[in-house]
Amino acid sequence: EPEVTQTPSHQVTQMGQEVILRCVPISNHLYFYWYRQILGQKVEFLVSFYNNEISEKSEIFDDQFSVERPDGSNFTLKIRSTKLEDSAMYFCASSGAAGYEKLFFGSGTQLSVL
Amino acid sequence: GDSVTQMEGPVTLSEEAFLTINCTYTATGYPSLFWYVQYPGEGLQLLLKATKADDKGSNKGFEATYRKETTSFHLEKGSVQVSDSAVYFCALSGNQAGTALIFGKGTTLSVSS
Repeated sequence: EPEVTQTPSHQVTQMGQEVILRCVPISNHLYFYWYRQILGQKVEFLVSFYNNEISEKSEIFDDQFSVERPDGSNFTLKIRSTKLEDSAMYFCASSGAAGYEKLFFGSGTQLSVL
Repeated sequence: GDSVTQMEGPVTLSEEAFLTINCTYTATGYPSLFWYVQYPGEGLQLLLKATKADDKGSNKGFEATYRKETTSFHLEKGSVQVSDSAVYFCALSGNQAGTALIFGKGTTLSVSS
């Protein structure tokens, strides 16, 4: 089965630094998402992206966050100035024409902010 | 707002035992309901879904029934295997492409032989 690929699997950064998390969605998918899970808490929605623009975002997704699909295959999440509380597992997902009915998730990037 | 509550884990069972993981939801309208599973080192995978009341989703011996009267979507399996050890997430979404999935906290299942 096709996969969503995320890199790196682990990222360690210093507070205040910028990080970019990378994802390669499944090639014919149309909808792209970022979720995160802080240790011991729920998986939380951050943002969805369709047709080169954000279609929905949560209140977590503030001005420190941005997403981009720079080249038609990658989908990135940028955090401009990381905070300790940004430490979490970040999951990328994509879906096809079925949209919400079936999301395919990557295996996640564990971000640790020191 | 919409939310999902699922039973706290971890759940520890012996092989061939019966499994129930409870999930209840709060939502406006008529959401779709999902169970996702995360095996160690992998991403979340859709296990089963139900899109309207009284629908039963099933896959790999797991099943869950969308109960609107009790706002529940409990996951069951009659005989678990060691390979079922994973984290199970209950989730709901509105019925539009690109809309957010709202997840529960996840329940860790550990099955021993």
